[in-house]
Amino acid sequence: GEDVEQSLFLSVREGDSSVINCTYTDSSSTYLYWYKQEPGAGLQLLTYIFSNMDMKQDQRLTVLLNKKDKHLSLRIADTQTGDSAIYFCAESLEGNMLTFGGGTRLMVKP
Amino acid sequence: GAVVSQHPSRVICKSGTSVKIECRSLDFQATTMFWYRQFPKQSLMLMATSNEGSKATYEQGVEKDKFLINHASLTLSTLTVTSAHPEDSSFYICSATGGGRDTQYFGPGTRLTVL
Repeated sequence: GEDVEQSLFLSVREGDSSVINCTYTDSSSTYLYWYKQEPGAGLQLLTYIFSNMDMKQDQRLTVLLNKKDKHLSLRIADTQTGDSAIYFCAESLEGNMLTFGGGTRLMVKP
Repeated sequence: GAVVSQHPSRVICKSGTSVKIECRSLDFQATTMFWYRQFPKQSLMLMATSNEGSKATYEQGVEKDKFLINHASLTLSTLTVTSAHPEDSSFYICSATGGGRDTQYFGPGTRLTVL
């Protein structure tokens, strides 16, 4: 079945690194995504990784994929207060359908 | 980029009235559009998938007569909440894909409040 899980909450200090974790169950996922949602706003695509990759880096963002353990993580370097938001991981299956995790609320303390 | 807009961003209506929400793809042709509902502090729940020119496919538990979806063109899909009730109050988000794109692009969402 399809199930994507994330921890609910993460608190870090400004300047530290944040690591948000996600586990999924469907091994046939083609892409895995990270979205950011600020209060009252829609979802912003942050980054994605193809399922045959282990790592992808994009400026302050690093995505790690452990396909064997079905574990995905998003590392944000030098976390800023503007990074405070809810982060959703999602896996894509057939027809661009997405299954979302429950979201991780990141709070960045000054 | 791939830009998706929604209108209105916020709507308040009286119980029993109908509300229409528009979702537009501004710079690409969206062969498929998705409608999601999000309750406070929860994840997105897929309501339905619509392909241009076809009837929408609704997820289990979503009333198709209550949530009318029309996807009449490659750039516009509408969601009409008919005879709205306070429990329909929620954040509705659309997304679109197509034109060779391999992911969904999300609109900014519409907050519906039914009094």
